[in-house]
Amino acid sequence: KNQVEQSPQSLIILEGKNCTLQCNYTVSPFSNLRWYKQDTGRGPVSLTIMTFSENTKSNGRYTATLDADTKQSSLHITASQLSDSASYICVVSARGSWGKFQFGAGTQVVVTP
Amino acid sequence: GAGVSQSPSNKVTEKGKDVELRCDPISGHTALYWYRQSLGQGLEFLIYFQGNSAPDKSGLPSDRFSAERTGGSVSTLTIQRTQQEDSAVYLCASSLEGRSTDTQYFGPGTRLTVL
Repeated sequence: KNQVEQSPQSLIILEGKNCTLQCNYTVSPFSNLRWYKQDTGRGPVSLTIMTFSENTKSNGRYTATLDADTKQSSLHITASQLSDSASYICVVSARGSWGKFQFGAGTQVVVTP
Repeated sequence: GAGVSQSPSNKVTEKGKDVELRCDPISGHTALYWYRQSLGQGLEFLIYFQGNSAPDKSGLPSDRFSAERTGGSVSTLTIQRTQQEDSAVYLCASSLEGRSTDTQYFGPGTRLTVL
């Protein structure tokens, strides 16, 4: 069973609207959680990283939250733009691990005019 | 500075042929990773190199897959006797040291199609 589950699998939103993506994980002991954006045909690019003590992190119109107690994270996109159309991937690392990153399957976001 | 580069960007091969995929990591990055991404799926870990340590090969799906990293820099992923199920995008990433807190920088990937 994947240790990182994302929802929804895909969503379509109108340009200018907000949306929230979810990530639940079971990775333990927890070290950090990242959100990546992957444009079609490109490699993933890091948006945010949060450690255990952080519960929110922003990068422009992207805001990630983390609840380490419930092992949940969300990525909120504000005032979506057409360029936000991409796959958003949640990645979790275990404390003390080297080279081990648990990837979610991603949420495919499509922003329409 | 230059990012992670991969070549070729696309590779079409016939079933049973061998293929080699190349990754040039960011200069100075000691950690290098290979992942496979099938259509609509998440990233699947293949292999991880860290400095001069023995690589973590735990993600390689079969003995047809192998990888090497020469001089601590360029890496080559080799798939022997390719099968149709090997068709996927192969992504390479590098990071400064491989710590869980390091940021991974990904290349654009190589799209492999096995006919």
